[in-house]
Amino acid sequence: AQSVTQLGSHVSVSEGALVLLRCNYSSSVPPYLFWYVQYPNQGLQLLLKYTTGATLVKGINGFEAEFKKSETSFHLTKPSAHMSDAAEYFCAVSVGKLIFGQGTELSVKP
Amino acid sequence: DAGITQSPRHKVTETGTPVTLRCHQTENHRYMYWYRQDPGHGLRLIHYSYGVKDTDKGEVSDGYSVSRSKTEDFLLTLESATSSQTSVYFCATMGQGDYEQYFGPGTRLTVT
Repeated sequence: AQSVTQLGSHVSVSEGALVLLRCNYSSSVPPYLFWYVQYPNQGLQLLLKYTTGATLVKGINGFEAEFKKSETSFHLTKPSAHMSDAAEYFCAVSVGKLIFGQGTELSVKP
Repeated sequence: DAGITQSPRHKVTETGTPVTLRCHQTENHRYMYWYRQDPGHGLRLIHYSYGVKDTDKGEVSDGYSVSRSKTEDFLLTLESATSSQTSVYFCATMGQGDYEQYFGPGTRLTVT
């Protein structure tokens, strides 16, 4: 069965520091992978997606993620955190249906 | 955002009452989904539709039913609401041949 695990339900970084949100997946077939962001009291917005091709994927707001098949990982990174990045982030795998991780809440300290 | 609206946006209801949530889309997307979001669980799929009158169960379908009589509308019904159904409900859509789901703004339901 497909599943997604996000390591750390809460991550706190200082403004300007590196953001690293971890996501590992299990899938019996080549997966499509997604990161979504949710700001307070809003719906989910797509940050980036991997379907095929280049394994380093760039998304909106300076985020990127790298698909590593050997590690079954799809970690999300951003070189320099901004206060506006504070939100909840969800990793998801698509095998017909979307399977979501539990979410990671990112806090950014001034 | 694929023109997705959800109504109502907030609702408080009593245990045992029926509740219907509506999702409306303007993009003519074939696929529509209902999720619930609960702390520590991410989003979990309740039901989905792959066309008018074509629906199927998701991961947490017990206590819920759906209907889709038009492409643009997908209704989620709680026949007899329970406190365990207090949650935030999201509708999503996806176009034919697409990989990305587009999400509505959510409905916060409280069952007292």
